[in-house]
Amino acid sequence: GAVVSQHPSWVICKSGTSVKIECRSLDFQATTMFWYRQFPKQSLMLMATSNEGSKATYEQGVEKDKFLINHASLTLSTLTVTSAHPEDSSFYICSARAPGRGSTDTQYFGPGTRLTVL
Amino acid sequence: QKEVEQNSGPLSVPEGAIASLNCTYSDRVSQSFFWYRQYSGKSPELIMSIYSNGDKEDGRFTAQLNKASQYVSLLIRDSQPSDSATYLCAPGGSGSARQLTFGSGTQLTVLP
Repeated sequence: GAVVSQHPSWVICKSGTSVKIECRSLDFQATTMFWYRQFPKQSLMLMATSNEGSKATYEQGVEKDKFLINHASLTLSTLTVTSAHPEDSSFYICSARAPGRGSTDTQYFGPGTRLTVL
Repeated sequence: QKEVEQNSGPLSVPEGAIASLNCTYSDRVSQSFFWYRQYSGKSPELIMSIYSNGDKEDGRFTAQLNKASQYVSLLIRDSQPSDSATYLCAPGGSGSARQLTFGSGTQLTVLP
């Protein structure tokens, strides 16, 4: 299957700092990537859809000024959590859509980034 | 009605038994369907995709799709303790983004 990487795998930061998370598709080009957040024992929550070369589409309730997404190339999307606070502590997971024929595109997930804000 | 509903868990089966996971969805437009497995503390891992009505087998896993009934299932034969995880059903959606819509998942425990 296709491989998606994320960096860093975990990060601890002080309240008020910004954190950047990178998501890369290693063996395919992904015109669309997705960012999810997951709190303990809860479902995945889609935060935004990231399209290469255009602005991200954010889900309702997700602050676009706080969660900055950049999809500058077909293999890289970044999520920056600006002015992070303890309530932003969560497991952030990206996925990349590998193209298939017709409607057979498949999403592959990165390993996730565990963010802890002190 | 939730967009994706999965059988409520947790589900426990003895080692070697068949685990049956069910999922119904409301989006009639979806043409692709996925099952992901998520171990505790890890990200989801794709285990099966299915696009046509009927059965699709891959090793110990069999996915079944019935678009008319808006139903998709996953059978795990000869369940192993390593299969213990949360299983997520996800219709592929429609439109240009084709976002996945996840159910809340079914937690499976295979007892040795």
